[in-house]
Formats: sequence, C-alpha cells, structure tokens
Amino acid sequence: NAGVTQTPKFQVLKTGQSMTLQCAQDMNHEYMSWYRQDPGMGLRLIHYSVGAGITDQGEVPNGYNVSRSTTEDFPLRLLSAAPSQTSVYFCASSYGQGRVNTEAFFGQGTRLTVV
Amino acid sequence: AQSVAQPEDQVNVAEGNPLTVKCTYSVSGNPYLFWYVQYPNRGLQFLLKYITGDNLVKGSYGFEAEFNKSQTSFHLKKPSALVSDSALYFCAVRDSTNAGKSTFGDGTTLTVKP
Repeated sequence: NAGVTQTPKFQVLKTGQSMTLQCAQDMNHEYMSWYRQDPGMGLRLIHYSVGAGITDQGEVPNGYNVSRSTTEDFPLRLLSAAPSQTSVYFCASSYGQGRVNTEAFFGQGTRLTVV
Repeated sequence: AQSVAQPEDQVNVAEGNPLTVKCTYSVSGNPYLFWYVQYPNRGLQFLLKYITGDNLVKGSYGFEAEFNKSQTSFHLKKPSALVSDSALYFCAVRDSTNAGKSTFGDGTTLTVKP
C-alpha cells in the first residue's frame, strides 16, 4: 500500500496564481483532512471531510477550497496565492466514526512558497 | 470548541533519564487522544492513542501515556530516553461528537543529549 500520497513535494508560486495540491489515499479511509504547519503554530486544520461529497471548514479555511468526489482523493485548491500561504501542507486520512483504529496517516507534505 | 495545549515548547533530557511531554485538552464530548512524532522534513507518525478502557496506554518505541479525565491531561512518558527519541511531538484530540475533526497542539521539541 502506498498510504497517503501528496503531490507535488515542492512548489513555488507567484502571488495571485492558483494551484491544486493533490492528496490520494489507498486505505479506504472515510476521513481526510488538510493541515498547514507553520513554525511555532503546530498544525492548523484547513478543511476536512468525513466522506465522499461531504466537506467542512477547519480553523483556517480562507483562501482554500476543497472537494471530495471520491473516497480516495481530497485535493486542496489555492484560489489566488498570497505570501501568507507560504507553509508546509499535510494531508491526513483515517478510518471513521465507530472504529477503534482511528489514528491518522499523514502524507510527506508539500512545501509551498509564494513570492 | 475543542483545543489542545502543550505547555512546553522544548523539553531537554539526558539519555537514560525518564522523559515526560505534557498535554492537556478540552472537548465537549468524550475525547479520543493521540500522540504523534515528526522527524525533520517528514510527515507525522502515530505513536499511541487513548479511545476507551485502561487509562495507561502503551505505544511504539517504548512510549506510554496516561489519560487523566479529572485533570484533562494525556502526558507522554518514557522510562529511559534515547538520543534517537529527539524529535517534534504533537498531541491531538478528537471529540466523540465530531470525530472527523482533529485538533493538534503546537508541538514540543524533545532533545535527548548523550
């Protein structure tokens, strides 16, 4: 199993450009989430999904869109990149409610720089 | 709203000594609690969890954690630290009433010196 796969690993964008960060998991997990990691601020939840067709906002959703058309994929779209979105982005997935083994599996991260 | 606090940005211990990394939480329903470790330039890796049952849970690499409901704490411990334990540690909580949403603490950098 590949687990959680994020692409790309690195990206440089110019202010105002748009892009999509890809996330795919092959474990049939119901839950998927996007986080950003900034120094001294831990992981902050951007958006999450509890199943295909269902998404919800986290702590810092502004400037980001998500959709979940399949169980496997959960792309994160930056609509108009800003320097404040320079960060490391992590995608995570886990089994859903009622399962004991609900720990999250993380991708390797995407390091995004907006200039 | 759910929240997690890791009161120490940095914990320094000598190799062979016991270590503790502190975590307190706040949720509306019953908590699902997790510890993760992150090595440089890597994603987070699961260490251990409390869902229900025994308050003392054991996890990977000799780590353990104790769930204390009255103090709303879930401190990570290890009896004898190794230099290779040096990393960034995150505590996370899920609320049983909204288990799709996980909240992480700001992280604690553990440094184990030879």
